[in-house]
Amino acid sequence: DIQMTQSPSSLSTSVGHRVTITCRASQGISNDLAWFQQKPGKAPKSLIYAASNLQSGVPSKFSGGGSGTDFTLTISSLQPEDFATYYCQQYNSYPFTFGQGTRLEIE
Amino acid sequence: EVQLLESGGGLVQPGGSLRLFCAASGFTFSSYPMNWVRQAPGKGLEWVSAIGDNGRFTYYADSVKGRFTISRDNSKNTLYLQMSSLRAEDTAIYYCARRPYQSGVDYWGQGTLVTVSS
Repeated sequence: DIQMTQSPSSLSTSVGHRVTITCRASQGISNDLAWFQQKPGKAPKSLIYAASNLQSGVPSKFSGGGSGTDFTLTISSLQPEDFATYYCQQYNSYPFTFGQGTRLEIE
Repeated sequence: EVQLLESGGGLVQPGGSLRLFCAASGFTFSSYPMNWVRQAPGKGLEWVSAIGDNGRFTYYADSVKGRFTISRDNSKNTLYLQMSSLRAEDTAIYYCARRPYQSGVDYWGQGTLVTVSS
């Protein structure tokens, strides 16, 4: 199975700042990677697919990059509604696997 | 508007069975593979199972293989997850999710809570 490792596990920062979250796959997955945002008590929301493509309706402040084993999610100009937990998931091969999550908190 | 509505969750004893439902609307259900994803209380997301658009191909996480069965009825626009031999560690919110071919999940349901406890 492909292991997905996110870093950091948690991050505190301020409104207006930019953050980057990293996701590393234990083996190459081409660009078969998605990112999701989840707020407490809510279902996940899809942000990015194919490593760098925004889902419909997702603002351009979110951007993704990478290919192979190393991927990033960057969120610019953080607003209060962006503070949530973010997950990556590979869909290159079954079983599809998620990273452990990165909790983004207001400093 | 794409909508996924799960139901069927509840309290069940260890060793028991439960069937989850996901009613889909707002899109051509028969054209999309579908997934089940779960989240134990206070934990991260765990992929559980997937099924192809025509139901012929199914996939499972090792943690549920042999105990859970995913299926679909395209005439009813409904996805199912039959769960048996349930364990305490199966306690979680179960989400159904649409995943276009060669793409990531794009839509999620609101989830249904399954609690396995005596």
